[in-house]
Order: sequence, then C-alpha cells, then structure tokens
Amino acid sequence: DIQMTQSPSSLSASVGDRVTITCRASQSISNYLNWYQQKPGQPPKLLIHGASSLQSGVPSRFSGSGSGTDFTLTISSLQPGDFATYYCQQSYSSPLFTFGPGTIVDVQ
Amino acid sequence: QLQLQESGPGLVKPSETLSLTCTVSGGSITNSSYYWGWIRQPPGKGLEWIGNIYYSGSTNYNPSLKSPVTISMDTSKNQFSLNLRSVTAADTAVYYCASYLVLVLAATEYFDHWGQGRLVTVSS
Repeated sequence: DIQMTQSPSSLSASVGDRVTITCRASQSISNYLNWYQQKPGQPPKLLIHGASSLQSGVPSRFSGSGSGTDFTLTISSLQPGDFATYYCQQSYSSPLFTFGPGTIVDVQ
Repeated sequence: QLQLQESGPGLVKPSETLSLTCTVSGGSITNSSYYWGWIRQPPGKGLEWIGNIYYSGSTNYNPSLKSPVTISMDTSKNQFSLNLRSVTAADTAVYYCASYLVLVLAATEYFDHWGQGRLVTVSS
C-alpha cells in the first residue's frame, strides 16, 4: 500500500500570506498526485491534478509542484475563502487510491 | 455537467448492512472514461477511499476496510450502490459518491465530481 503523509497537520495564517503545504508518498508515485480543498459541510473540490496542473476555474494563486515522493501545494496570497482543509491524493496505484490525512488552514 | 446524489438510510444498527445508492445525472455511468467511487469521512476526520466500480462491472476495494464491502451498478437507472456489512460505530461517517475521470492521453486522473454526502450513523 502507498501511504501518504502531509505536513503540517494544521497551520494558522493571515489573508495575504504565502502558504505552503507538503505531501509525501511512501514510494515514488511519479506525478500522480492530486490536491483537493474541502470546506466545512461541503464535498472536496479538485484544485490541482497531475501534481502541477491547475484545474479549470481554480484561481492562479494555487500552484502545485513536485514529483516522485515529495510534493507541495502553494497558495501565493491567501484569500478569505481559502481557509479550509487541504488533502492530497495519490493515483499512482489506480484504481486503488489513498488520501493524505489533511492540512487545516485556519485564521491566525 | 455531471451531478451525483447519495440516498439511503441515515441510521443503521450495529451488525447490520449499510446500503447507499448514488444517482448520476448529466452523463452515463457506462462512460468508459470514468470510475465511480465511494469515499467516506468520519466526523472531524479525514477522507477514506472505500472502493470503486468501472462501467464493465469490475470493482476495487480498500484492503484496509474492516467491514466487508460490495459496490454494484444498475445501468438502467444510471445508479451505483454501496453495501457495507456487519457495521460498527466506527463506520459512522459522511459517505460521498464521486466520479473519477481517467484521461489516458493526458496521463492524468482525478475525482472531478462529488455528491453532497450522506451522514450515516451506526447506533442501536
């Protein structure tokens, strides 16, 4: 099984801050890594697929990078609607999948 | 634009079977570009992939699940279903159905549409 970890588990930030979240896989997954945003009471929403491809309609302040085992999600300038929980998901072992444990971004 | 909607009981007794159905609109579950999946989220916790089904009927399940699981589909109703047997309180969660798009030529794949979720509580 491919295990996913994320760091930090939570962070506090302010509007305008640059935020970086890290996701690590237990083995190389090439670029088969997706990022989702989830707000309370809502289903997850796809932000980034293929490690670095921005999903249509997602603001350009979101970006993803990495390959192999280490990946990052960056929010260049945090906006009020970005306070949420962020999950990575590996699709290397498709059609079996694993989500990371999540990173909570809350208000400082 | 695909839309997915979960339905089923919100309360299930321990040791019984949790059954949910996902109704898909705006597209066909026989579309070969998609897998159809179930993901759950215990209250206050993270996402756990349960399993998925392909238009051919082939299924894949999370080997870490403790309760036996079956996913099936009814193409005549454009629905797919989840059965989780012998449930315990640990199976209490919001259950999401989702579509998983596979773009072979682009070498990318992801969960692109989700239902709103159905809270299922396991309690006597």
